[in-house]
Amino acid sequence: GAVVSQHPSRVICKSGTSVKIECRSLDFQATTMFWYRQFPKQSLMLMATSNEGSKATYEQGVEKDKFLINHASLTLSTLTVTSAHPEDSSFYICSARVGDNSPLHFGNGTRLTVT
Amino acid sequence: QQQVKQSPQSLIVQKGGISIINCAYENTAFDYFPWYQQFPGKGPALLIAIRPDVSEKKEGRFTISFNKSAKQFSLHIMDSQPGDSATYFCAASRGYSTLTFGKGTMLLVSP
Repeated sequence: GAVVSQHPSRVICKSGTSVKIECRSLDFQATTMFWYRQFPKQSLMLMATSNEGSKATYEQGVEKDKFLINHASLTLSTLTVTSAHPEDSSFYICSARVGDNSPLHFGNGTRLTVT
Repeated sequence: QQQVKQSPQSLIVQKGGISIINCAYENTAFDYFPWYQQFPGKGPALLIAIRPDVSEKKEGRFTISFNKSAKQFSLHIMDSQPGDSATYFCAASRGYSTLTFGKGTMLLVSP
């Protein structure tokens, strides 16, 4: 089945620093990947849609300059949280589809803690 | 606004019992309704999904019931097991476009 791998699974960083999270589709190519954010005991909130070879599409209220998304290849999308603050602490999850008409598969998430 | 309302927020079921989680949607353009299972510290995993051309879909102990006229769908977990304890999210979309998620149900199956 479709496997989406995320790295790292956990990261702790200091306020003001930047953190990069990688999302890879291991056994398929994904022209589109999606980044979600999830607070404890809450639902998934779509942050942005990552498009290979073009700019990401951000959801309303998501700061594109703070959450930089790069989708440089058909198997890799990265989310960089710039100048992180404690309020950015959250669970970040990426997802992808094998094709346009197929279900969404999620990575295992990255727990970001900003101290 | 497109919404998917999920209930209950939490659920405790005895081992061997039936767990039932309900969702209701507003957008009649939605035609794809998946359920995801999420364990603590993990990403959601697709459990089962249904399209509105059928009223029920069963996969093992998991069944989706769909009521198009009421714009409701539900997940039934038969013979619930402690290993089923997780958070369950319903979702909806038009085709395979952006999913709209419910708020989740924390299920605890007591031994």
